[in-house]
Amino acid sequence: KNEVEQSPQNLTAQEGEFITINCSYSVGISALHWLQQHPGGGIVSLFMLSSGKKKHGRLIATINIQEKHSSLHITASHPRDSAVYICAVDGRSQGNLIFGKGTKLSVKP
Amino acid sequence: DADVTQTPRNRITKTGKRIMLECSQTKGHDRMYWYRQDPGLGLRLIYYSFDVKDINKGEISDGYSVSRQAQAKFSLSLESAIPNQTALYFCATSLAGHPQETQYFGPGTRLLVL
Repeated sequence: KNEVEQSPQNLTAQEGEFITINCSYSVGISALHWLQQHPGGGIVSLFMLSSGKKKHGRLIATINIQEKHSSLHITASHPRDSAVYICAVDGRSQGNLIFGKGTKLSVKP
Repeated sequence: DADVTQTPRNRITKTGKRIMLECSQTKGHDRMYWYRQDPGLGLRLIYYSFDVKDINKGEISDGYSVSRQAQAKFSLSLESAIPNQTALYFCATSLAGHPQETQYFGPGTRLLVL
């Protein structure tokens, strides 16, 4: 079983829809990261969080440490949000990140 | 200019050839990483370095070696390339810290081994 599971694997939405991507993990963590991989391949970090909620523009990330679950929300989705969204955790005993397989989001105009 | 650069961006090579992928960074970070990405498998760690004298194997280091020539440079070598090393390779950097700090990724190198 993967230590970091994301759902759904693929998601298609219409422009303007509210989107939720989920991440569950099975290890104890110090922090969780959300990353975005553009269709051209480049990867950028969106959030790092260890509790509660963070917001940046139309993106909101939440984490529930007790339930070992995080969600990434996109409000008023736009075709430029089309990308692969990757969840990664910093396991307490590791010196690096453990990655989920990603959620491929396609937003149609 | 990009903070994390990788060369080459694309490479086609033949089975058995030695190949080196290079990564340079201007962020002043101590930590550097090499990952490979395969369709459906996500990012997997090959090697990581927490400073010039500290190099560690990741989950899939077999068939690979690395060199940390300076704080800013971290190279990945495939001593004898094989077709299942065809993948997208990423270098990343981060500040030292616990929990793991945000990682900054290079643009990736697409490698095809024939």
